[in-house]
Amino acid sequence: DTGVSQDPRHKITKRGQNVTFRCDPISEHNRLYWYRQTLGQGPEFLTYFQNEAQLEKSRLLSDRFSAERPKGSFSTLEIQRTEQGDSAMYLCASSLAGSQFRGEKLFFGSGTQLSVL
Amino acid sequence: DAKTTQPPSMDCAEGRAANLPCNHSTISGNEYVYWYRQIHSQGPQYIIHGLKNNETNEMASLIITEDRKSSTLILPHATLRDTAVYYCIVRGANQAGTALIFGKGTTLSVSS
Repeated sequence: DTGVSQDPRHKITKRGQNVTFRCDPISEHNRLYWYRQTLGQGPEFLTYFQNEAQLEKSRLLSDRFSAERPKGSFSTLEIQRTEQGDSAMYLCASSLAGSQFRGEKLFFGSGTQLSVL
Repeated sequence: DAKTTQPPSMDCAEGRAANLPCNHSTISGNEYVYWYRQIHSQGPQYIIHGLKNNETNEMASLIITEDRKSSTLILPHATLRDTAVYYCIVRGANQAGTALIFGKGTTLSVSS
């Protein structure tokens, strides 16, 4: 499978614990996005990388959230001191941005479902 | 906030064409119209995008009005597997790499 891969698919944790999710984008895709989705809502943007550089962060990304993409390949999203409000689906997407912009296709993974008890 | 308006839900009979409307009256000249869909428990899936001209691919057709203030996604022969939430999104070339802003989309229910 050459699509976007996310691990784990499901995570149950207790309030106050730290969790880390991993995203493996499509090979050679230079852009990587993180989104969060709660029930009945569309995905909400969290942050975005171009290669290893984190270029944009949403106001939704509190200090408890940190994302990395150390070598411009896979990315991790860590949530420290989880709260019940962090329960959501965390989605990763990747894209290949060329020198000429003719629209950008994002390819999404299946997400990591986080439940904070 | 999302810059598009979509009906919350639509129904379609299997085998018929599904026509999903989207209003984007504030769209600017360099903004593309994108359509994604999300099947339950999966991540969103890219369908199609366009700037001015109508577009067609193996999944769907996109019809953009001449004034670009609205568009219609057409699934020519809907199947049960097309039941999903469909998102219409606008984003400009100078916003490449920034967030796709998803609204609540249209929930399409295809029935036999």
